[in-house]
Amino acid sequence: TQLLEQSPQFLSIQEGENLTVYCNSSSVFSSLQWYRQEPGEGPVLLVTVVTGGEVKKLKRLTFQFGDARKDSSLHITAAQTGDTGLYLCADSGAGSYQLTFGKGTKLSVIP
Amino acid sequence: DVKVTQSSRYLVKRTGEKVFLECVQDMDHENMFWYRQDPGLGLRLIYFSYDVKMKEKGDIPEGYSVSREKKERFSLILESASTNQTSMYLCASTSSGRIGLYEQYFGPGTRLTVT
Repeated sequence: TQLLEQSPQFLSIQEGENLTVYCNSSSVFSSLQWYRQEPGEGPVLLVTVVTGGEVKKLKRLTFQFGDARKDSSLHITAAQTGDTGLYLCADSGAGSYQLTFGKGTKLSVIP
Repeated sequence: DVKVTQSSRYLVKRTGEKVFLECVQDMDHENMFWYRQDPGLGLRLIYFSYDVKMKEKGDIPEGYSVSREKKERFSLILESASTNQTSMYLCASTSSGRIGLYEQYFGPGTRLTVT
């Protein structure tokens, strides 16, 4: 059974700071997805990465996929209070519609 | 935009009651899922359905059942609610069309409290 480990579990930073959160898998990812879940809401897809070494940018968010496709990072530049939420990584198993989720990193950005 | 709606945002029920949670998606997705989310335990899959009238057990199906009579609607049923079923329930859907890229679209969640 695939295990996704996210670190850190909790992160509290000041507005304007940079941060990086990580997702590591016990096996090779099929395709890696990052979601953000705001308090009291459902998760919303941020990005999907498929190719080892891939880098995707979404405004102030930069997503990297490891060459071996077993790890990924999400870097946020100049964090804003609107970035507060739970960041989840997930993998779709080969040939499966199901996703395996990590437990998430809970980010608090303080004004 | 894909829209997944859930019948209630907040629900309070008594122990032993039968509880229905409804989920509707408007993107003609084949696959639908029910999760519960608890602090420290993450998202856990209860049931999923890949077609009308089809269902598969997830990781924690005990105490739950589901119904999918129409493609757009997936219902979660708590046959006899218990306090340990107090949780946030999330519905999601995904298309079968994009091979290997099964991004899921989530509803806003139902926070269920069983007293």
